[in-house]
Amino acid sequence: AQRVTQPEKLLSVFKGAPVELKCNYSYSGSPELFWYVQYSRQRLQLLLRHISRESIKGFTADLNKGETSFHLKKPFAQEEDSAMYYCALGGGGSYIPTFGRGTSLIVHP
Amino acid sequence: GAGVSQTPSNKVTEKGKYVELRCDPISGHTALYWYRQSLGQGPEFLIYFQGTGAADDSGLPNDRFFAVRPEGSVSTLKIQRTERGDSAVYLCASSKNVGLGSYNEQFFGPGTRLTVL
Repeated sequence: AQRVTQPEKLLSVFKGAPVELKCNYSYSGSPELFWYVQYSRQRLQLLLRHISRESIKGFTADLNKGETSFHLKKPFAQEEDSAMYYCALGGGGSYIPTFGRGTSLIVHP
Repeated sequence: GAGVSQTPSNKVTEKGKYVELRCDPISGHTALYWYRQSLGQGPEFLIYFQGTGAADDSGLPNDRFFAVRPEGSVSTLKIQRTERGDSAVYLCASSKNVGLGSYNEQFFGPGTRLTVL
């Protein structure tokens, strides 16, 4: 069975501090990992996919199969990064994601 | 262009009633998905359509839930004999295509907040 765990419901940091949002997954096959973001009063949207290996808005995420993790990182948080972040898992050729419960990131000025 | 739209934005109903939630996908998107998001949880997959047919309805919780997409565009999620536990935000998303081994980004609508009293 597919499972995504985001252990932190809330992460609160100050502007300029590093940020790491944790995500662990459980999947027996070859996983596809995603991060989605939902800003206040906006729609859920894709932030990045592990296979793209790109940096979006300064965020990166590396798939670690040994630790079954896909943590989202940013070296210097900005106030506009405040949002709900969802880690999601797809696999077996299916791109229908299984979502984690989400982490609320609050960046204080 | 216009994104995915959902109506109504809010729906309050009484236990036992029937409700319909509508989704208008992005024009030209052949794949359409429904999700349910309960308070404090991530979106939970319900059903997806490829064209007019339900390609995967494994996420529907029981037979009170049903969805249609008769012309391959607009979709309606139907819930019979609503229960208080059905209260949630129902999200719709669409993508250009879904094929085994291919990825197409899903674009989400704003959701319908359903409250069952």
